[in-house]
Amino acid sequence: KQEVTQIPAALSVPEGENLVLNCSFTDSAIYNLQWFRQDPGKGLTSLLLIQSSQREQTSGRLNASLDKSSGRSTLYIAASQPGDSATYLCAVGLYGQNFVFGPGTRLSVLP
Amino acid sequence: NAGVTQTPKFQVLKTGQSMTLQCAQDMNHEYMSWYRQDPGMGLRLIHYSVGAGITDQGEVPNGYNVSRSTTEDFPLRLLSAAPSQTSVYFCASSSSFGVSTEAFFGQGTRLTVV
Repeated sequence: KQEVTQIPAALSVPEGENLVLNCSFTDSAIYNLQWFRQDPGKGLTSLLLIQSSQREQTSGRLNASLDKSSGRSTLYIAASQPGDSATYLCAVGLYGQNFVFGPGTRLSVLP
Repeated sequence: NAGVTQTPKFQVLKTGQSMTLQCAQDMNHEYMSWYRQDPGMGLRLIHYSVGAGITDQGEVPNGYNVSRSTTEDFPLRLLSAAPSQTSVYFCASSSSFGVSTEAFFGQGTRLTVV
C-alpha cells in the first residue's frame, strides 16, 4: 500500500529565505506527483504536476523535483513571502487519477 | 470559470440523519472523486467515477453512497450520519481517467455530526 509522508510537519521562516519541503513515498510505481497549496478553510490549489517520466517542474519561484527510485520529491520555494504561508500537500498519483496524499507541511513566512 | 463547485460549505447533522453533499464541475471532466480530510492525516479517497454511470470505491467507502447520472454532477450521500463522519469533504475532477493530468478541487464541505 502506498504511503506518503512529509517533513517537516510545520515550518516557520523569516521572509526572503529559500526553503525546501520534503515528500517521501513508499512505492515507486507512481503515475505522477502533484504539489498542492491549501489555505485555511479553503480548497486545494494545484501548484506543480510532475509526470513519472520527469525529474522536475518549475513555476515562478517554485521548483519541484522527483526521484522515483528513492521515493522522494522536494518542493523548493525561492525568496519566500508572507503570502506563501499555507499548508503544502504532496499527492502521489496512481493510475486512474486517484491520489494518495501526505499529511502536509504547514508553512509560516514571517514579515 | 466556476471550476468545481461544492454545496453546502458547512453542515451540522444529528447522528442518524441523512444528507447529500453536492459537487458539480463545468470543465467537461470525465473523472470525479470524493476525499475526506481529517486532522493530522492526508486526504483519503472515498469514491470515484470515471464517467457517467460508472463509480467505484476508494480507500474509505463505508457509510457513503455515490452515483453519476451526468458528466457534470457527482453527489455524495450519507445514509445515516455518524460522529466518525465529521470531516472536511473535497470533491475533485480531472479531464481523463487514464491520462496523467492536473486535478482540480472544490472549496470543501465542512461536516459536523453531533
